[in-house]
Amino acid sequence: EVQSLESGGGLVQPGGSLRFSCATSGFTFSSYGMSWVRQAPGKGLEWVSSISAGGDHIYYADSVKGRLTISRDNSKNTLYLQMNSLRAEDTAVYYCARIRYVGRWYWDYWVQGTLVTVSS
Amino acid sequence: EIVLTQSPGTLSLSPGERATLSCRASQSVSSSFLAWYQQKPGQAPRLLMYGASSRATGIPDRFSGSGSGTDFTLTISRLESEDFAVYYCQRYGDSFPTFGQGTKVEIK
Repeated sequence: EVQSLESGGGLVQPGGSLRFSCATSGFTFSSYGMSWVRQAPGKGLEWVSSISAGGDHIYYADSVKGRLTISRDNSKNTLYLQMNSLRAEDTAVYYCARIRYVGRWYWDYWVQGTLVTVSS
Repeated sequence: EIVLTQSPGTLSLSPGERATLSCRASQSVSSSFLAWYQQKPGQAPRLLMYGASSRATGIPDRFSGSGSGTDFTLTISRLESEDFAVYYCQRYGDSFPTFGQGTKVEIK
């Protein structure tokens, strides 16, 4: 059974930093690419960043490039997101999701998200 | 940049009715990289369809997907109470995934 836990969200002031994680179990974490997807309050879904299974390919949305850093520790089956220079518009629920890419590309497993609120 | 536009924004229907949701791309996209997700309030999204027409594990057969090129459709043949939710289409291309803005299916 796939299980995951996100941790590290919360309230942070504009310009501040936050790091949160998505710990997984029940599947071979090191075999899957992973993504962060966010959702601002009352809004739709927005892809933030993706990382390949081995961590050697990383992609960011233009809206977060240079401020957010995705990483992973395959020995701990954990995905991370380091967020710097936070802005009010970064306020959102952040979901981690598992990528399936075998001829087709989609997210097949999503973890219940963590809320990040950027406010003074 | 390819933009996905979903319509209608809101669909008001009764249980048992048929729901037809549209996802239109601004340029042709590969159906292999078109997926649909369902999201209920306070929950993470759930994969419904991938490759435009393949149902994800555990998804009932009242859900179906179709389309190619620029026009894709998610159909729910007979709405059940648990189907009232927001639905998003999503495509992947050039290493960047994008979403449509969502269609809310609400109880009439």
